Amino acid sequence: TQLLEQSPQFLSIQEGENLTVYCNSSSVFSSLQWYRQEPGEGPVLLVTVVTGGEVKKLKRLTFQFGDARKDSSLHITAAQPGDTGLYLCAGAGSNTGKLIFGQGTTLQVKP
Amino acid sequence: KAGVTQTPRYLIKTRGQQVTLSCSPISGHRSVSWYQQTPGQGLQFLFEYFSETQRNKGNFPGRFSGRQFSNSRSEMNVSTLELGDSALYLCASKQGADTQYFGPGTRLTVL
Repeated sequence: TQLLEQSPQFLSIQEGENLTVYCNSSSVFSSLQWYRQEPGEGPVLLVTVVTGGEVKKLKRLTFQFGDARKDSSLHITAAQPGDTGLYLCAGAGSNTGKLIFGQGTTLQVKP
Repeated sequence: KAGVTQTPRYLIKTRGQQVTLSCSPISGHRSVSWYQQTPGQGLQFLFEYFSETQRNKGNFPGRFSGRQFSNSRSEMNVSTLELGDSALYLCASKQGADTQYFGPGTRLTVL
């Protein structure tokens, strides 16, 4: 059974601080996706990482895929209140519509 | 391009009833996947449909079923509803090996 362990589950920080969210598995994934979800809405895609060792940047967000394609991290620099939300990592197998989701990280950024 | 749409957005049912949820994928996307999201279990994969055929199935009882039509629209049905079926039901569509894009979800409350 493929599992994704996401940590931390909850994070409450002050505006301007940096943070990192981790997503770890013992399984290899063909790609890993990061989503952000607002209450009562569907997850919105932030990024997809495919190649081991890949690093992608989206403004203040930096995403990294582990060399062995088993883990990933999301780093936010100088967090802002607008970053508040539920962050989800999801691993995909090859050519399948089944995503394995981590438990999610609820981030609260206080002004 | 219009995104994934789901109807209805909110639904209240009583135990023992059945319910049908609808999902219209992004134009051109032939794969539709369904997920159940609850506070305790997070996001869990229900099933995936591709070209009107179920391609993958998660670990849910047979009360949960789905189908896909020739225009790629999909429906999922839950029969004999239980209190524990209360959840946000999300559908996602994708094209080929690309990333999945989620709809806003249907919030189902079972009383």
